[in-house]
Parts: sequence; C-alpha cells; structure tokens
Amino acid sequence: QQQVKQSPQSLIVQKGGISIINCAYENTAFDYFPWYQQFPGKGPALLIAIRPDVSEKKEGRFTISFNKSAKQFSLHIMDSQPGDSATYFCAAQVANNNDMRFGAGTRLTVKP
Amino acid sequence: DGGITQSPKYLFRKEGQNVTLSCEQNLNHDAMYWYRQDPGQGLRLIYYSQIVNDFQKGDIAEGYSVSREKKESFPLTVTSAQKNPTAFYLCASSITFAYGYTFGSGTRLTVV
Repeated sequence: QQQVKQSPQSLIVQKGGISIINCAYENTAFDYFPWYQQFPGKGPALLIAIRPDVSEKKEGRFTISFNKSAKQFSLHIMDSQPGDSATYFCAAQVANNNDMRFGAGTRLTVKP
Repeated sequence: DGGITQSPKYLFRKEGQNVTLSCEQNLNHDAMYWYRQDPGQGLRLIYYSQIVNDFQKGDIAEGYSVSREKKESFPLTVTSAQKNPTAFYLCASSITFAYGYTFGSGTRLTVV
C-alpha cells in the first residue's frame, strides 16, 4: 500500500538543466512534506520541506511546489550540477503521528 | 556533534545466523525507527519505538526483532527466519510528535 507515489524512477539531466521530480499522495491528513537527498552508501539527509499552508518554498537552487487540491508536490532543482547526482525521496507525515511515508525514490544523474 | 551512529558499516552473515545491527543516538530523541532499503523499493519500515521499553511492528517486521532498553539505543536483530536479508539498513530518530527524521549512515548487510 503505497501512500506516496514518486516519479520518475530515474532521471538524467545535463549540467545546468532543471531537474523535476514529482510526488502524489492520497491521505489528506498529511501535513508535512519533506524531500531527502541520499548519496550512495549514506543515509538520507533532509534537503527541504514544506507545510500545506504555502504553495512554494525555495532554498537556493531547490524549490518545492505544492498543489493541495491535486494532492501533488514536486521538487525542482535549478542549474543542476554533477554534485546533485543522488537519490531523492519525497515523504509525507501527519502532524500528531510519527509515521512518515516515503516515495520509492528517484535516482538523479547530472551529466557534465 | 549530535547524531545517529550505526555500526558496523558493512556486515556479512552466513545463512542460518542471527546478526545484530547497532543504532545509537545522542540527539535526545524519543522515537527511533528501522528501515530497510532495496533498489527501486524506497524505504520500508521494519520496526519503530516511540518510548523506552515499547516498540511496534512496521510493514515488514517478519524475520526481525528489536529491543529498546535505553533511550539512546535501538538495536535490530536480523534472524535466520528472514529469508532475504541482503539489504541496506537505515536507523532514524525523531522528536515525538515533531516533524522530520534524522537518519544514520546505514549498515549494508550481505548474506554469504
């Protein structure tokens, strides 16, 4: 039972391009939507997160776009760099519940 | 520095053996989690604990066991009943009823 669906499974982007990863959720009780970045052999690290009271959050080259009515959110990486090559996970969490649900992950490769 | 320490980084197990993966945190977090990561399947929850001496099964608990005798420690035992234990195991922690998890750097378990 996958509560958070993530696409694409893999993504190849040229250096300087825009990387876009999409996620959709079903449970309207979710109210925290983080993105995690994971390098090979390492644990995931929080990259950026959004609450549903805003439609967009930007931190440097990373932007989350959130569409509450469509129950979708996406990660945009502007000016993608080879150092951004990693696996990205979206997730969703309910406020009064420690249970966080993860997407299946997107393996991003940025070609120089 | 506060964080989560997982050990060992690599672990090899013979078929029929039980092995224990260590997870220690000095973040003073109440909740701790174990996830299994397989290629293309994202993060699947094995067990979680929100308080000392209490833990709950996650989505794929069969063949695994845990204990939570101290707030800082949440070891995972992979038993011989787990038929396909080769995977990357991640430990995480969080503040109860707060957002976001902190992950350790993982243990890669291989059955030989």
